[in-house]
Amino acid sequence: AQKITQTQPGMFVQEKEAVTLDCTYDTSDPSYGLFWYKQPSSGEMIFLIYQGSYDQQNATEGRYSLNFQKARKSANLVISASQLGDSAMYFCAMREGAGGSYIPTFGRGTSLIVHP
Amino acid sequence: DAGVTQSPTHLIKTRGQQVTLRCSPKSGHDTVSWYQQALGQGPQFIFQYYEEEERQRGNFPDRFSGHQFPNYSSELNVNALLLGDSALYLCASSGRDRYNEQFFGPGTRLTVL
Repeated sequence: AQKITQTQPGMFVQEKEAVTLDCTYDTSDPSYGLFWYKQPSSGEMIFLIYQGSYDQQNATEGRYSLNFQKARKSANLVISASQLGDSAMYFCAMREGAGGSYIPTFGRGTSLIVHP
Repeated sequence: DAGVTQSPTHLIKTRGQQVTLRCSPKSGHDTVSWYQQALGQGPQFIFQYYEEEERQRGNFPDRFSGHQFPNYSSELNVNALLLGDSALYLCASSGRDRYNEQFFGPGTRLTVL
């Protein structure tokens, strides 16, 4: 079974509007972490935001926020006020278990295109 | 402050050959992880090095091996290349203070003919 599911292969958004990228996960481990990365066409993965399974509040980093719904096992990324430079692939990832070992499982990604 | 660097940028090999990819972590980072990203897929974890030892390994055959040097830089070696090894190989580094945050390099694009 897929541990990370990203059902939107491609998304389009108008510049300055908000967009939500979906991510659902599957784990039986009570301790886990959820990540979102951005990958521009250059190939480099850029860390955007992290949410721990025990965090009480949804994570936010500037224009990025993570809509964490634990019961539904979803961790959607919300990008507010989209910019042309936000056009890229976006990957959701999960690390299971506590501790310093960082072994994430990535989804297949969502391609976001921001129109002027 | 230099980020993660990888070399070479692109590489073309033929089936059966061997390849070595190199990675220098971000300054202050001591842990290096390697990923394989096939076209249209998310990255897949190959292995992670810490204190010059392989700490964890993903589901990759023994043809994939690595090394970490005392300066924390790392190499990924792939023997007996197969067509299916064609991919973008990403290196990522992390430090003990913010281990949840990995910094990735630009990757090495390997093409096996």
